[in-house]
Amino acid sequence: AQTVTQSQPEMSVQEAETVTLSCTYDTSENNYYLFWYKQPPSRQMILVIRQEAYKQQNATENRFSVNFQKAAKSFSLKISDSQLGDTAMYFCAFMKHVYSNQFYFGTGTSLTVIP
Amino acid sequence: KAGVTQTPRYLIKTRGQQVTLSCSPISGHRSVSWYQQTPGQGLQFLFEYFSETQRNKGNFPGRFSGRQFSNSRSEMNVSTLELGDSALYLCASSFGGRSYEQYFGPGTRLTVT
Repeated sequence: AQTVTQSQPEMSVQEAETVTLSCTYDTSENNYYLFWYKQPPSRQMILVIRQEAYKQQNATENRFSVNFQKAAKSFSLKISDSQLGDTAMYFCAFMKHVYSNQFYFGTGTSLTVIP
Repeated sequence: KAGVTQTPRYLIKTRGQQVTLSCSPISGHRSVSWYQQTPGQGLQFLFEYFSETQRNKGNFPGRFSGRQFSNSRSEMNVSTLELGDSALYLCASSFGGRSYEQYFGPGTRLTVT
């Protein structure tokens, strides 16, 4: 079974500062995908960033980057230059392989950006 | 390109009733997945449909069912509603097959009284 753990239920960060959200997962799979999704108060889930397990290079999308440690089964999200619009619930998600579109989600981290 | 749409956005039902939720995927997407989101259980996978066939199913009772039509629109049905079925129901669409990019709809907020 796949499990995803987010150990930080709530976090806050000052505007323009950097924050890191943690995620660990457990799987026996070798090929899989990891994602960070953002869910603002509007409830729409938005893809922030994704990482293919076979790629050693950490994914980066503008102010968002990940630290993927496959051996440690760790997948943290770093948000640089935090903006008020980053305030949201952040979910870490795991997908076994590309032919199975089933996400396993963590419990989420509620991030508040303080002006 | 229009995003994933879900109807209705809000719904109030009485225990014992049944309900049908609808999800229209992005044009060209053939896979639709459904998730239940509750404060206690978080986001849980219900099932996935691809080309009108259920391809994957989560651990939910048989009261939860779904289907997909030839235009890829999907419906989810919950029979004999229980108070614990109150949740935000999200659907996500993707091309399916060799695609891991999924796009979520805004959700349907179901309240069972």
